[in-house]
Amino acid sequence: EAGVVQSPRYKIIEKKQPVAFWCNPISGHNTLYWYLQNLGQGPELLIRYENEEAVDDSQLPKDRFSAERLKGVDSTLKIQPAELGDSAVYLCASSLGGGDRGYNEQFFGPGTRLTVL
Amino acid sequence: AQSVTQPDIHITVSEGASLELRCNYSYGATPYLFWYVQSPGQGLQLLLKYFSGDTLVQGIKGFEAEFKRSQSSFNLRKPSVHWSDAAEYFCAVGAKGGSEKLVFGKGTKLTVNP
Repeated sequence: EAGVVQSPRYKIIEKKQPVAFWCNPISGHNTLYWYLQNLGQGPELLIRYENEEAVDDSQLPKDRFSAERLKGVDSTLKIQPAELGDSAVYLCASSLGGGDRGYNEQFFGPGTRLTVL
Repeated sequence: AQSVTQPDIHITVSEGASLELRCNYSYGATPYLFWYVQSPGQGLQLLLKYFSGDTLVQGIKGFEAEFKRSQSSFNLRKPSVHWSDAAEYFCAVGAKGGSEKLVFGKGTKLTVNP
């Protein structure tokens, strides 16, 4: 079974340009997460989706970041305009959702490494 | 809110030596605890997790971790390290009620000398 797929794997842009990242979760996973991982740091949650609904976006800088998950499957994270400080790895993860809320393991994609010049 | 501290930024061990990576957490109740490993250019892979019950948990790749409530710790151990274990290791804590939010430590980078 395929894991979480992210593209592109690497992206280099100039500041003030827009950029978008795409994530395809594991089939059947209702919950999708976007994390930001700065160099030398652990991942930090940006946004969490339950199906197509963003249920936790408190850490998403909404002035320049946006995300969508149309039809509750694939998701896109966008930055417009990008700043130098946005250089980081953007990780997508997915897990089974709904039903029993005990715990659902998060499976991570390889990430997109963004460099803003 | 929960938090995680990994005191060691970088650890170097010789192949075949034992390993212990430290993790301390802060949470008001018994949390969910996790260890993830991240190889260069890769996503995070779950090594093991603790929810409840036996405080010594076994994971993949020969790793184990022990939950110590009195010390708010969840240290990762391996009796004999292999060169392929070189990677970055992250401890994470999740709140009871689901995996909605994982809070990660800053990670410990492991170097293995031949």
